[in-house]
Amino acid sequence: GQQLNQSPQSMFIQEGEDVSMNCTSSSIFNTWLWYKQDPGEGPVLLIALYKAGELTSNGRLTAQFGITRKDSFLNISASIPSDVGIYFCAGQPLQGAQKLVFGQGTRLTINP
Amino acid sequence: DADVTQTPRNRITKTGKRIMLECSQTKGHDRMYWYRQDPGLGLRLIYYSFDVKDINKGEISDGYSVSRQAQAKFSLSLESAIPNQTALYFCATSDPGAEVYNEQFFGPGTRLTVL
Repeated sequence: GQQLNQSPQSMFIQEGEDVSMNCTSSSIFNTWLWYKQDPGEGPVLLIALYKAGELTSNGRLTAQFGITRKDSFLNISASIPSDVGIYFCAGQPLQGAQKLVFGQGTRLTINP
Repeated sequence: DADVTQTPRNRITKTGKRIMLECSQTKGHDRMYWYRQDPGLGLRLIYYSFDVKDINKGEISDGYSVSRQAQAKFSLSLESAIPNQTALYFCATSDPGAEVYNEQFFGPGTRLTVL
């Protein structure tokens, strides 16, 4: 089946640092989504991307839909303690309306 | 009030036992999903349902079954639990007419341990 390779799997940073994570696939996706999971909770949508090349921001978060439609990245600027959690990329395959394939997740830990 | 609720939140059971995880939603969405989360593997789709009469297998359906009792309720069953089904289970919903197409809304999760 289709797979998303998300990296890095974990990050340990200092408060205030910028963060970058990405997802790649050998398959083309119609949509890329980025979710965040806080400890003890379900994932919540951060950003949705629908067009190749699209660059979208949500506060300190910026995400891009790769030109080839096979990758996406998420950047977090000036990290703060509440950014701690697991970040997931998800893609909607060409065939599979509203079915999503998820990456393995990036666990972000912030040292104050 | 939570839009997507899951019961129980935590469950410890023994190998061979039958167990049911329940999901209810007040969002009025037709589409519902069950995922399991394992460290390093992300979220993997078990089953999904696009309406009350529609049930589809996901990526890892072996050992699981589901029931869509109503638009608002979608249950996941493990007929004979085994230890490698120990995981965090999530229910999710979506609306094909939503402004943010493809957005899925997740419940808080059920942590299942099979001894």
